[in-house]
Amino acid sequence: AQSVTQLDSHVSVSEGTPVLLRCNYSSSYSPSLFWYVQHPNKGLQLLLKYTSAATLVKGINGFEAEFKKSETSFHLTKPSAHMSDAAEYFCVVSAGNYGGSQGNLIFGKGTKLSVKP
Amino acid sequence: KAGVTQTPRYLIKTRGQQVTLSCSPISGHRSVSWYQQTPGQGLQFLFEYFSETQRNKGNFPGRFSGRQFSNSRSEMNVSTLELGDSALYLCASSLGQGSGDTQYFGPGTRLTVL
Repeated sequence: AQSVTQLDSHVSVSEGTPVLLRCNYSSSYSPSLFWYVQHPNKGLQLLLKYTSAATLVKGINGFEAEFKKSETSFHLTKPSAHMSDAAEYFCVVSAGNYGGSQGNLIFGKGTKLSVKP
Repeated sequence: KAGVTQTPRYLIKTRGQQVTLSCSPISGHRSVSWYQQTPGQGLQFLFEYFSETQRNKGNFPGRFSGRQFSNSRSEMNVSTLELGDSALYLCASSLGQGSGDTQYFGPGTRLTVL
């Protein structure tokens, strides 16, 4: 079965400093992994997606993530935080098969990112 | 292309009532999935429809049901509402071609049950 664990429920950074949001996954096969962002009272927006091509994935708004199979990790990074990055971030793994109760996507519990001026 | 749209954006209902939520997918997308988001349980999968057929179902009671129309628009119905059904209900659409599909989410419907 697939699962995903976000290691921090809340991360606080200062504007202009790097962002690191940590995610570990568990999968019995090569997974599809995603990062989504949710701003307050909004839906989910796709930041980036990994599907077994390049291990370093570049997304929107300067975010990127590196797939590390040996560490079963898919951490999200950004070199310099901006105030507008304050939101909740979800690491997501594809359930990988249709049928059953897991559904298409399995979400982590989310990491709330705060950005201080 | 227009994104995923959901109506209504906000709903207030009382216990015991029923509610219908609507989702219009991105043009050309044949799969629509529904998720429930609550502070306690996070994001949980409800069900997925593809070409008017329910292809996948989460662990929710039978009070939660859905359907999909020939134009891929989908509706979700919750009968006999309970206080615990208060949540943000998110709809997502995709091409429905496989596990690596990207799902695009709508803004959600905020349901409050009093």
